[in-house]
Amino acid sequence: GQNIDQPTEMTATEGAIVQINCTYQTSGFNGLFWYQQHAGEAPTFLSYNVLDGLEEKGRFSSFLSRSKGYSYLLLKELQMKDSASYLCAVSDSNYQLIWGAGTKLIIKP
Amino acid sequence: GAVVSQHPSWVICKSGTSVKIECRSLDFQATTMFWYRQFPKQSLMLMATSNEGSKATYEQGVEKDKFLINHASLTLSTLTVTSAHPEDSSFYICSASSGGEVNEQFFGPGTRLTVL
Repeated sequence: GQNIDQPTEMTATEGAIVQINCTYQTSGFNGLFWYQQHAGEAPTFLSYNVLDGLEEKGRFSSFLSRSKGYSYLLLKELQMKDSASYLCAVSDSNYQLIWGAGTKLIIKP
Repeated sequence: GAVVSQHPSWVICKSGTSVKIECRSLDFQATTMFWYRQFPKQSLMLMATSNEGSKATYEQGVEKDKFLINHASLTLSTLTVTSAHPEDSSFYICSASSGGEVNEQFFGPGTRLTVL
């Protein structure tokens, strides 16, 4: 079956760095997405990786290793507004998104 | 760009009534639209995928006669929850994709449905 694993919850301190991991097993691979979702709101797009390596976008970076079925989202200089759930999703061979359960990130002052 | 709207943003209805939710892509043509449901503290659950002009493809366990989906144009899809019951209370989110290499989904703001 298809499976996306990510930690349920993480806690970090304002100003620090946090890495949220995601491992996946899917039938085919056409890219991996990271979305941010604040409570009561719809997800918003953060990043997309289809090739191995690191994609940097401001304070957020996303890494992919297709051979390991592994990705991480790196958040630097954490701000209180970064408190949210972070969803990992993989596009499978049919271009359908397979969603992880999300990682709730709690930022403490 | 790539804005998706949903209407209404929230709705409260009596048990047994039907509720229609609209999803519109405002500045692009969406070849595919997706309907998700999210219960509190749970992940997104895909309900169905719809392509303009064709019947929606429903996920296993989703009743197609209860959740009617119409994708009449490249910018509009509707989800009608028929004979709603309290267990249908949830956050319904649509997303739209224009296809292409990345095939990114752009999400609407969601509709919170409460069935009394």
